[in-house]
Amino acid sequence: DQQVKQNSPSLSVQEGRISILNCDYTNSMFDYFLWYKKYPAEGPTFLISISSIKDKNEDGRFTVFLNKSAKHLSLHIVPSQPGDSAVYFCAASAVNNAGNMLTFGGGTRLMVKP
Amino acid sequence: DAGVTQSPTHLIKTRGQQVTLRCSPISGHKSVSWYQQVLGQGPQFIFQYYEKEERGRGNFPDRFSARQFPNYSSELNVNALLLGDSALYLCASSRGRANEKLFFGSGTQLSVL
Repeated sequence: DQQVKQNSPSLSVQEGRISILNCDYTNSMFDYFLWYKKYPAEGPTFLISISSIKDKNEDGRFTVFLNKSAKHLSLHIVPSQPGDSAVYFCAASAVNNAGNMLTFGGGTRLMVKP
Repeated sequence: DAGVTQSPTHLIKTRGQQVTLRCSPISGHKSVSWYQQVLGQGPQFIFQYYEKEERGRGNFPDRFSARQFPNYSSELNVNALLLGDSALYLCASSRGRANEKLFFGSGTQLSVL
């Protein structure tokens, strides 16, 4: 049973345009959400996070939106750059989890074309 | 500051063998977590250790075990390797507080033949 799902395995965007990556979750106990970026042969790198008490968090070109009623979050990258090409994972945790265990989605491969 | 370091980077084993993977956390981090990433999937939680105590365990068989040392480094052991254990094994460190980001190492790519 996948508690965190990224339904788009891949996304292709033109440089300078907006990239929108989506993530859905089923566990209503999740209260903290994160996005990670992963390049080949490297570990995931933290991008941005959001607590369930907020519906938006912004950091430079990256904005994460959280819709708790729909159990949906999205990552917006504006403007997209070729260096953003990577696999993006959303992850979630619940305060009553074992420690700070993260549950990951399956990832979306973003390709930004010059 | 050094990030999370893992060794070895690559490993090839045969079915039935045992393997030990090592991880050193970021200085000042007391929590280490292990994740398994199978090709085409997201990382899956295996263990978390904090102050040398197991804090959480994912849905993995008893062939998987781990420990944390007084210097907060950690080892992941997998016994009786199966072909399906072939994966990227990621170690992550953090301060150990709730709802905080994890810092990942580059992983150990394990191939079981």
